[in-house]
Amino acid sequence: DSGVTQTPKHLITATGQRVTLRCSPRSGDLSVYWYQQSLDQGLQFLIQYYNGEERAKGNILERFSAQQFPDLHSELNLSSLELGDSALYFCASSVGAADNQPQHFGDGTRLSIL
Amino acid sequence: GQQLNQSPQSMFIQEGEDVSMNCTSSSIFNTWLWYKQDPGEGPVLLIALYKAGELTSNGRLTAQFGITRKDSFLNISASIPSDVGIYFCGASGGSNYKLTFGKGTLLTVNP
Repeated sequence: DSGVTQTPKHLITATGQRVTLRCSPRSGDLSVYWYQQSLDQGLQFLIQYYNGEERAKGNILERFSAQQFPDLHSELNLSSLELGDSALYFCASSVGAADNQPQHFGDGTRLSIL
Repeated sequence: GQQLNQSPQSMFIQEGEDVSMNCTSSSIFNTWLWYKQDPGEGPVLLIALYKAGELTSNGRLTAQFGITRKDSFLNISASIPSDVGIYFCGASGGSNYKLTFGKGTLLTVNP
């Protein structure tokens, strides 16, 4: 158990819809990262938050947004969903903001777009 | 952008055999990490390497941070069926300061 909690585990929705994925980091971790994992692309970094502030941005679409709340949990919002958004979405956390700190992953949310 | 070339893509071995996989890049990194992902779960950190030339073990697993800082390998000795999974390398400290992952090595162990 990594200590990172993601909900829901599975999400099935239709194109054009909007969903929110939730992540609670390990106790004491201030950084939260979001990744998308698909079969052909591997693990793709989306965005990082540190102590409530956006820290780094990766290959995140404009239709996607995230935030980190004062209690350090984070939400990833995906809107105007397309078939290609079907993937596993992982949250990870680390103690600090530095990129050399090991990240601990949750078990992911599997998003299926029908 | 920075890319990690992880090989092999997949491996089929017999229980008891040793396994070796590696990641290479044209970029220099300050940290190399190795993760294992089981089906339906998130990646789990196996070994973290912070210094060029560093050799670190975790049970039957051994990983090394290449001296050029552009590569790393992971060895698994005396494989067992529960070693099955996808192994990912990750590296950070490059020009974009993000953790970058390889595409993974799928390991299958035949009992």
